[in-house]
Amino acid sequence: AQTVTQSQPEMSVQEAETVTLSCTYDTSENNYYLFWYKQPPSRQMILVIRQEAYKQQNATENRFSVNFQKAAKSFSLKISDSQLGDTAMYFCAFMKPYSGTYKYIFGTGTRLKVLA
Amino acid sequence: GAGVSQSPSNKVTEKGKDVELRCDPISGHTALYWYRQSLGQGLEFLIYFQGNSAPDKSGLPSDRFSAERTGGSVSTLTIQRTQQEDSAVYLCASSISGSDYNEQFFGPGTRLTVL
Repeated sequence: AQTVTQSQPEMSVQEAETVTLSCTYDTSENNYYLFWYKQPPSRQMILVIRQEAYKQQNATENRFSVNFQKAAKSFSLKISDSQLGDTAMYFCAFMKPYSGTYKYIFGTGTRLKVLA
Repeated sequence: GAGVSQSPSNKVTEKGKDVELRCDPISGHTALYWYRQSLGQGLEFLIYFQGNSAPDKSGLPSDRFSAERTGGSVSTLTIQRTQQEDSAVYLCASSISGSDYNEQFFGPGTRLTVL
């Protein structure tokens, strides 16, 4: 069974600095998808960034980028130029489409606080 | 267009009562998911609906939990004989199945408190 591990329950970063959130996963699959979701205090989960396992190039979305190490089964999120609005819980998620089923496995989350 | 909506946003109930939580997915989304998020915890998968296929109920914690999806749209999660450990935020998400990414769009959740 697939598992997703986020080993950092809480982190903090100064505004405008860079922070990296770690995520590791365990799977025997070769093709799958990885996601980072953000859950601000308002509770609404939103997608931050996604990565297809068959793509070697790391995904980037503005200030957000990932370091995808397939062999190491690692999928870290880097937030550059941190802003106060980045304060939120961040969840790493794994998805393997199988026979029309698209089931996600989420990590336990990292609570990020951006300090002014 | 409108996002995923859930109702009620908050529900307080007494132990032993039944509760129903509602989810309205984004129109056209064939996949619908229910998750439970306990205080400070991650998302625990409960159940997954995909079109007209039989739902994946593998995450339901006990037979007190059930869910249905009528007409491939609105879904209701029912918890019978609620217990204090059922207190959590219940999140619903929907997605367009068949696309490679299958991004999930989440609702704001229902906070359930069992006294």
